[in-house]
This record gives sequence, structure tokens and C-alpha cells, in this order.
Amino acid sequence: ETGVTQSPTHLIKTRGQQVTLRCSSQSGHNTVSWYQQALGQGPQFIFQYYREEENGRGNFPPRFSGLQFPNYSSELNVNALELDDSALYLCASSLVGSGDEKLFFGSGTQLSVL
Amino acid sequence: GESVGLHLPTLSVQEGDNSIINCAYSNSASDYFIWYKQESGKGPQFIIDIRSNMDKRQGQRVTVLLNKTVKHLSLQIAATQPGDSAVYFCAENQAGTALIFGKGTTLSVSS
Repeated sequence: ETGVTQSPTHLIKTRGQQVTLRCSSQSGHNTVSWYQQALGQGPQFIFQYYREEENGRGNFPPRFSGLQFPNYSSELNVNALELDDSALYLCASSLVGSGDEKLFFGSGTQLSVL
Repeated sequence: GESVGLHLPTLSVQEGDNSIINCAYSNSASDYFIWYKQESGKGPQFIIDIRSNMDKRQGQRVTVLLNKTVKHLSLQIAATQPGDSAVYFCAENQAGTALIFGKGTTLSVSS
């Protein structure tokens, strides 16, 4: 177990709806990253948050947004859901400034868009 | 396209054999590489990492080799066990922010 927890574990939405996914970082970590993993693919970087600000973003449209809170927990929000948004969404935490970039992943939220 | 990829999508071995999983990367500026193991229904689990100033690093039953000349990374698992069955991803770090993952190799271990 990594200490990174995500909720919910599974979610079903319909096209056009909005969704919020939540993540609690591993104790002592100050950075959270979100990844999208389509079936049979490797995780793809969405964005990273450090000190409550976005600190890097992958090739995802603005309808993917996030927040990091003072306790280092985080949310991923996706607006106007599309069928292709169906995927496993992974949250990972790390400790920036420690010289150790290892990411520790949660078990993910499986999102299905119908 | 993918900047990190794996040579084989699947690998089948017998229990007790040594396994070698290969990965090619395309960005010669990448300075940090990680291997992750992902079991069904779980998130990726850290196995071992290596920096670009090293050629080899060993862990418990695992060894990572880095060949910067041909931009190749490999993971060796000694005495493979059924519990090693999973999807294995290599990932490279660019600009210190995002990990770039390949598509993965599915390792199947039969007893």
C-alpha cells in the first residue's frame, strides 16, 4: 500500500455531465499528479499540482481542471464528459525538493461515460 | 507518438526462470527512468529506478540496466514467481515534472 487513496473507486456518468474525483496524498508528500490510463495503455500525464498551483500540464483540454488543498489532497474535475473520457484515473504523490522523484500511485478511479 | 515504448507486449515464462523486459526510449535528454508493476485493479507500483549517470542498479530480485548509447532500458527479474505476473511499464522523466509511460509488457508466469 502506498498511502495514496482515491475516491470513488468506480463511477458511471453520461456524456455531457461533470465529474469530480478525489485524492489524498501520502503523508509528508507535497505534490500530486493526475494521470489518465485508457484500457491497454500506459498512464498519460494530465497535470501536476505543487503548493496549490498547477505545475505542469499534459496534452489535455481545459475542461480537465484540478485543485490542490492546503493539506495536499487534490481534486480532478472534468466538465462536458465525452465517451473517450472513459478510463482509469490515477493520482500519484511525491515529495518535490527531496531529490527523490518517485511517484506513489493510488488504485485509481474507474470512470465510465455512457 | 510514444516517446517510451516496450519491445514486446507479452512475455510468458516458467516459475523459477529469469525474466527480461525491454524498453526503448527516444529522448536522449531524459535523466531519470522508473519501472512500475501494475496488477489488475491496482495502480502502478514502484519497482526500481535509475538515473542517467548510472548503467546498472540492483534491487531485491530485480536489476535495471540502462544503455544510453542505444537508448535502451531493461528490467531483469530473477527466479520469477507467479506473484510477478502483472503488466510492467517503463517510464522516463522529462523536465522533472511528467513521467512518460510506455504501453506496457504483460508478464505471465506459469508454475
